Formats: sequence, structure tokens, C-alpha cells
Amino acid sequence: DVKVTQSSRYLVKRTGEKVFLECVQDMDHENMFWYRQDPGLGLRLIYFSYDVKMKEKGDIPEGYSVSREKKERFSLILESASTNQTSMYLCASSFLDHYNSPLHFGNGTRLTVT
Amino acid sequence: QQQVKQSPQSLIVQKGGISIINCAYENTAFDYFPWYQQFPGKGPALLIAIRPDVSEKKEGRFTISFNKSAKQFSLHIMDSQPGDSATYFCAASMGYGNKLVFGAGTILRVKS
Repeated sequence: DVKVTQSSRYLVKRTGEKVFLECVQDMDHENMFWYRQDPGLGLRLIYFSYDVKMKEKGDIPEGYSVSREKKERFSLILESASTNQTSMYLCASSFLDHYNSPLHFGNGTRLTVT
Repeated sequence: QQQVKQSPQSLIVQKGGISIINCAYENTAFDYFPWYQQFPGKGPALLIAIRPDVSEKKEGRFTISFNKSAKQFSLHIMDSQPGDSATYFCAASMGYGNKLVFGAGTILRVKS
């Protein structure tokens, strides 16, 4: 069974702090994604990566960066956390072929910035 | 700007009834349309998906209907059960790389 593990279930940080959200997958997937989920807005793509050391901006990259040093690990970085980044963050992974490879999501990290 | 518009935001259905969730898209380059189901405290998981070369796909009690000319697709849940209570997201993608665009989600509650 595919497992996508997010390092923290809940996180509380202060405004201005640098925040790291970690994600690990165990299925040798090429693709990894970071989404944020907000009520009424659905899931919005922040960044994604097709390969190690490769990254592409999604729809809402402002205020975020990512790192993929190893194939199984994809980190989301909030350089200077702000209250409008309070949200549920979901990591996902998949193979490259979108017809035959569903996204496998982690259970999310609920981040609160005070 | 939401590329995939989903309605309704929430839905209450009696046990045994039919749940219907609708989505509309603008980008005709989309070529893959999945539905994801999310239970509280869990990440979304793929429920069923369709490609635009067919008008309907059925898996058990779940059916996707696809209208290419209207750029709309919908999820029908027959004989809805309390265990179907969850948030449902439609999505769309195109080309290489599996980058999904999601709708806003529908919170379904099935009353027993």
C-alpha cells in the first residue's frame, strides 16, 4: 500500500518564523505535490516536482519555496510565515502517467500562524 | 479564477437516495477528469475517473456522466449510505505530469 507521510499533524508557529513541512513517500513516485486546502476554495496547488532537484510553481507559489534533494522526500518551506498562510497543507505523490496513476495524499498538516 | 467550478457546496440526502454533484470546466485541453473522496482527518483518495472519449463510467454505486459539448461532468451516487458522508472533489488535468486542478468541494451528508 502506498504511504505518503507528513511529518506533523498539527503545527503552531508565530508570524515571521521560517516553517518546514516535510513529506515522504515510499512508492518510488516521480511526481510530488504540495496543495493547500481551504474551505470553499478546494485544493490549490502550491508547487510540484517531477524529479529530484526539479521544481515548478503551481497556482499559488507566493510566500513558499520547496526542496527535493531525494526522490522520496519533498519539503515545503514558508520563508516568513504570515497569518494568511494558516491552512491545511496536503502532500501528494504519483507516477508521471496521469491516466493510470492516481494522486496519493498524506493526511495533512494543519498549520496555524499566530 | 477557478478553472473547475463545482456545485453544490453542501448536500444532504436521505439514506437510499441519489446524490448528484456537478462540475464545469473551461479549458478544452483537459483530458482526464477524476473524483476524489475525503473523510475527516484523512487526505483525499481517488474514487472514480473518466476520460473524454466516453460519456459515462460506472463503478458500483458511483457513476460519472460526462458531457463534452457542455464542458460538464457529474458524479452520481446511487443508494446513498451514511458511510458515503464525506467531502467530494472533482478535478481535471491535461497532458504530461499529472497536475490536477480541483473544484471547491462538496460536503455530502447522508441521513440515516
